[in-house]
Amino acid sequence: EPEVTQTPSHQVTQMGQEVILRCVPISNHLYFYWYRQILGQKVEFLVSFYNNEISEKSEIFDDQFSVERPDGSNFTLKIRSTKLEDSAMYFCASSVNRRVPSTEAFFGQGTRLTVV
Amino acid sequence: SQQGEEDPQALSIQEGENATMNCSYKTSINNLQWYRQNSGRGLVHLILIRSNEREKHSGRLRVTLDTSKKSSSLLITASRAADTASYFCATDTDKLIFGTGTRLQVFP
Repeated sequence: EPEVTQTPSHQVTQMGQEVILRCVPISNHLYFYWYRQILGQKVEFLVSFYNNEISEKSEIFDDQFSVERPDGSNFTLKIRSTKLEDSAMYFCASSVNRRVPSTEAFFGQGTRLTVV
Repeated sequence: SQQGEEDPQALSIQEGENATMNCSYKTSINNLQWYRQNSGRGLVHLILIRSNEREKHSGRLRVTLDTSKKSSSLLITASRAADTASYFCATDTDKLIFGTGTRLQVFP
């Protein structure tokens, strides 16, 4: 069964460092998303991406964050200068089509980011 | 309050019992989805119910949707210890907005 894969599963970084979280969405999917979940809290929307551009972003997704689809398969989330409060589980998701109201999103297993 | 709030926040039951979790939301939706998350793991899609549907079944899962009350419920029948997880509703407008989740503990 096709799945969304994320690497690494766990990343520890020092405050102020840049991190890149990687995702390989399901191959025929067109819409891509990043979500995050701070430990013990709800899953929060960060950004959606379609046709090589951001379609929507939340207030959390400030100038420290960027997304990219560098090739035909990868979808990355970059945090330029990490802060302690960026520590969270980051989930990538993809879906075939946002315009059909019965489309589910498939989530990866997540990358646990720990900023020290 | 937030779009997508589940109650109860936590639920403990014995194996074989039914578990009911509720979700309330605030805005119009395209559909509502339920996800499951084992501790520290990813989100697994369980079931999707469209805004024009009232009830949907999938195995031991039964989901209802009442758009007039802006609420949904997830029923897990004949629960098993392996059902222990957090369950989230997610309302779908142009993006998924997740609720706060219900932590379900099923004791053998």
